[in-house]
Amino acid sequence: DAMVIQNPRYQVTQFGKPVTLSCSQTLNHNVMYWYQQKSSQAPKLLFHYYDKDFNNEADTPDNFQSRRPNTSFCFLDIRSPGLGDAAMYLCATSRQGRTNEKLFFGSGTQLSVL
Amino acid sequence: AQKVTQAQTEISVVEKEDVTLDCVYETRDTTYYLFWYKQPPSGELVFLIRRNSFDEQNEISGRYSWNFQKSTSSFNFTITASQVVDSAVYFCALTPNAGNNRKLIWGLGTSLAVNP
Repeated sequence: DAMVIQNPRYQVTQFGKPVTLSCSQTLNHNVMYWYQQKSSQAPKLLFHYYDKDFNNEADTPDNFQSRRPNTSFCFLDIRSPGLGDAAMYLCATSRQGRTNEKLFFGSGTQLSVL
Repeated sequence: AQKVTQAQTEISVVEKEDVTLDCVYETRDTTYYLFWYKQPPSGELVFLIRRNSFDEQNEISGRYSWNFQKSTSSFNFTITASQVVDSAVYFCALTPNAGNNRKLIWGLGTSLAVNP
């Protein structure tokens, strides 16, 4: 059974048109992460939530926002997608966010920007 | 500085061959954790193993084994009798034990192709 679910699997948007990616989890984990992964690169952390506490990475562009309305759901909003934002977006969770915890990943959303 | 190096970008083997994926890390912390994740073509990253810096025991799980050597700052991963289903990108990662640092430091990954 899928524990971290991302929808949609593929998303196509137009340059400058806002887009929202969604993630849900059945693990009841406190921490949810959003990663961006471009082709042949390692995942890059954009931000994470510890419960309702939002933590942005210093180099995450302002174009990227996130919402976590409840424990189960987390959204990634890209306000004005550029061509450089085409990537795989991975959602992940961990129980408490401690350094020794493993991450549980969703299957990702592949975003294309036309 | 914290860094993870996976020098092998791509490896191609024939089924049933053994293959070792190298991982070398840099950290000044005395306590840290090392991880391996597998990313098959479907895209979902899957946790394989975690090792803390005080536990240098090697580990075997079925066809998978890991060799952790602090003296050389390496945490290598070996697949014995590889299978086509092992084809994936494998990432080695590091977290220092600095309070609530939740940020994994990733290597660039090794793409493994196992051919029938």
